[in-house]
Amino acid sequence: KNEVEQSPQNLTAQEGEFITINCSYSVGISALHWLQQHPGGGIVSLFMLSSGKKKHGRLIATINIQEKHSSLHITASHPRDSAVYICAVAAGNQFYFGTGTSLTVIP
Amino acid sequence: DSGVTQTPKHLITATGQRVTLRCSPRSGDLSVYWYQQSLDQGLQFLIQYYNGEERAKGNILERFSAQQFPDLHSELNLSSLELGDSALYFCASSVGFWDRSPLHFGNGTRLTVT
Repeated sequence: KNEVEQSPQNLTAQEGEFITINCSYSVGISALHWLQQHPGGGIVSLFMLSSGKKKHGRLIATINIQEKHSSLHITASHPRDSAVYICAVAAGNQFYFGTGTSLTVIP
Repeated sequence: DSGVTQTPKHLITATGQRVTLRCSPRSGDLSVYWYQQSLDQGLQFLIQYYNGEERAKGNILERFSAQQFPDLHSELNLSSLELGDSALYFCASSVGFWDRSPLHFGNGTRLTVT
């Protein structure tokens, strides 16, 4: 049983498209993290959320605690956004990762 | 550059051996986390230290151990290595705990067990 589920697993978009990646979780959490992993393997933290919405440049993250659901939106997607996006949750003294969404943005 | 330094970048060793992975956290960060990323299991949380003390434990095998030293660097020791231990091992650091502070990841150590 996965505590964190992401959808879709794979996503291909044309440059300029609006992209949404979804994350659902089944445990009580204190925070949710969105991470980006590039093909080289390095991981970058995009957002940490415990409620509401955050925006950074073309990226927007939202969370609905009651629904146990978060979304990551990318506006005006660009080929450099191609990466794996990973949702992770802090649940007490445990930390659970989703399996990631592999995004490819085609020029 | 996240400010988190992991060494070595690559490690190739044989089954049954023991290795030590090292992590220097970002300046000012008190928490250090270790994660394992394998092809079949994805990313998994192993263990967290805060200011020298173990604070949370995940799916860390008994053959693995870690510690955080007074200068806040951390080491992950993997012993009696098996083929299935081949993976990318990440260290991350944060100012506080993972529910209050964003995580800063190192570039990882790629371990190959032959």
